[in-house]
Amino acid sequence: EVQLVQSGAEVKKPGESLKISCKGSGYSFTSYWIGWVRQMPGKGLEWMGIIYPGDSDTRYNPSFQGQVTISADKSITTAYLQWSSLKASDTAIYYCARGEVVPAAPFDYWGQGTLVTVSS
Amino acid sequence: DIVMTQSPDSLAVSLGERATINCKSSQSVLYSSNNKNYLAWYQQKPGQPPKLLIYWASTRESGVPDRFSGSGSGTDFTLTISSLQAEDVAVYYCQQYYYTLTFGGGTKVEIK
Repeated sequence: EVQLVQSGAEVKKPGESLKISCKGSGYSFTSYWIGWVRQMPGKGLEWMGIIYPGDSDTRYNPSFQGQVTISADKSITTAYLQWSSLKASDTAIYYCARGEVVPAAPFDYWGQGTLVTVSS
Repeated sequence: DIVMTQSPDSLAVSLGERATINCKSSQSVLYSSNNKNYLAWYQQKPGQPPKLLIYWASTRESGVPDRFSGSGSGTDFTLTISSLQAEDVAVYYCQQYYYTLTFGGGTKVEIK
């Protein structure tokens, strides 16, 4: 069974750093792209970026380039999304999702989401 | 960037009636070399992650009830729920994957 299990909710202060995770299982982790999607409170879905764990090829939505870093550790089948300095506007639910063997593909499996709250 | 515009923002439909959601892309998402439309639909119920319903504009994901259907080509697409059930209350999103990835703004479906 394909599963993406994300790390738990986080409460942080503005300016702090954060790294959240997404562990894949039940499939060949290195053969599928993993994407990250932001959902701000009460709002829609925004694609942030995508990584191919096989070779760490990473593509970013220009709106998020430089704001976050996407990475993966194929040895432990885990993808990451990290911030070096959080802002209140980063408060959102972040989902990881599995793509396909090509970068342009829909997401067929999703993690349960990680709620990140940034507040002073 | 390809902008995806959904309409309406919300709709209320009686149980057993048809629900129709529209999605328009700012440029064609039809790839001429394979004649495929790079368009997907997702369903998101409250407190849950999105669920893939349809890809290639009209192909149902495995396990999706056949009351859900997708149609359209080029820049104009439609998701139809032929007979609305209570469990279909959700927000529905279209997504293009022709050039990077972008989502529509979502359409909330409720029971009238």
